[in-house]
Amino acid sequence: QKEVEQDPGPLSVPEGAIVSLNCTYSNSAFQYFMWYRQYSRKGPELLMYTYSSGNKEDGRFTAQVDKSSKYISLFIRDSQPSDSATYLCAMSANQGAQKLVFGQGTRLTINP
Amino acid sequence: SQTIHQWPATLVQPVGSPLSLECTVEGTSNPNLYWYRQAAGRGLQLLFYSVGIGQISSEVPQNLSASRPQDRQFILSSKKLLLSDSGFYLCAWRLKGSQAEQFFGPGTRLTVL
Repeated sequence: QKEVEQDPGPLSVPEGAIVSLNCTYSNSAFQYFMWYRQYSRKGPELLMYTYSSGNKEDGRFTAQVDKSSKYISLFIRDSQPSDSATYLCAMSANQGAQKLVFGQGTRLTINP
Repeated sequence: SQTIHQWPATLVQPVGSPLSLECTVEGTSNPNLYWYRQAAGRGLQLLFYSVGIGQISSEVPQNLSASRPQDRQFILSSKKLLLSDSGFYLCAWRLKGSQAEQFFGPGTRLTVL
């Protein structure tokens, strides 16, 4: 079993829809949770960062962490064609060099 | 502000040839540095990380090596490339004392033929 599971998609939704992206994980030591956005042939860009459980909102983006269920989500409201990208979840335990463990990434397309 | 550079951006190399990919970070001191490989349609696999000059930790046994000759320079090398070394190589940095977030460079796309 992988430490972090993420549905690779692809996911295609119409412009303006609410998008929900999810990851599950098995390591209860994970405390830091991140979402990265990666455009084609580019490096990943940090989108959202959350420590421990709870919600965090930044503009149209909301990140949720449920440590009891080992489940994290990213919601995108009023989705735009420019949101079309691969979204990677990543997480880390509070240890040493803070190595990140990544999900496979979900490829998202927003259709105008 | 901090910036991270990688070069070259793309590289096509024959099997058995050597490799050297370079990563440099500007605007910070004594960062943690990381090399990842991303295969097509897959997540990122951590290859090496470094917490200081000359300090390298390897995550997976493979045909690659890493070095950190200067504080903000991280190099990925191979003496003889294999077909399986093809992929998208990403360098990342993290500020010590921060929490876990890492910041990535633009990547190098390597094709081994």
